[in-house]
Amino acid sequence: GAGVSQSPSNKVTEKGKDVELRCDPISGHTALYWYRQSLGQGLEFLIYFQGNSAPDKSGLPSDRFSAERTGGSVSTLTIQRTQQEDSAVYLCASREDSNTDTQYFGPGTRLTVL
Amino acid sequence: ILNVEQSPQSLHVQEGDSTNFTCSFPSSNFYALHWYRWETAKSPEALFVMTLNGDEKKKGRISATLNTKEGYSYLYIKGSQPEDSATYLCALGGTSYGKLTFGQGTILTVHP
Repeated sequence: GAGVSQSPSNKVTEKGKDVELRCDPISGHTALYWYRQSLGQGLEFLIYFQGNSAPDKSGLPSDRFSAERTGGSVSTLTIQRTQQEDSAVYLCASREDSNTDTQYFGPGTRLTVL
Repeated sequence: ILNVEQSPQSLHVQEGDSTNFTCSFPSSNFYALHWYRWETAKSPEALFVMTLNGDEKKKGRISATLNTKEGYSYLYIKGSQPEDSATYLCALGGTSYGKLTFGQGTILTVHP
């Protein structure tokens, strides 16, 4: 079946512009996560969605970052007024049900802020 | 803050060699330990999820063990092949909703 997809695969933007990153999780997966990997850093958690519950936003680095998940499926991560330190690979993952289930990752969006 | 350590940072081996990596983590609040393989320009690929102390998992030439009491997991690759070249990530599920805390990864290069 189809895996997690993300778009765009690459995004180059100028400092100060807003960007939107999209994630299509695996159909039927209840949980969705956003992570990012900055240069020289490990993958870090950003935000978590589970069903209709309020998202856990504890990993968002600043109030310029926001995310939503519409209809329990597609998610969009928005970064306003981008800064150079936002340059990273942004990964989305989804999992089926149990908290210990495998998280399936998309191919990521490489964001470069000039 | 959970601290997940992986060693070595990078490893170069010859085709046919067997190798192993280590993942260390705090043993308190343990829920699950995940291993992923991440090749350049591809999605991280799930290898194993382990939840019980003493768990051993195997997938082809790759296997993993888990010791939750002392806080470590080993990943073994038997008879490395060039296609095994990738970054191997371990991640700790230390909360009830499955948020993962990743180590920095071990970069494996297998030379033909």
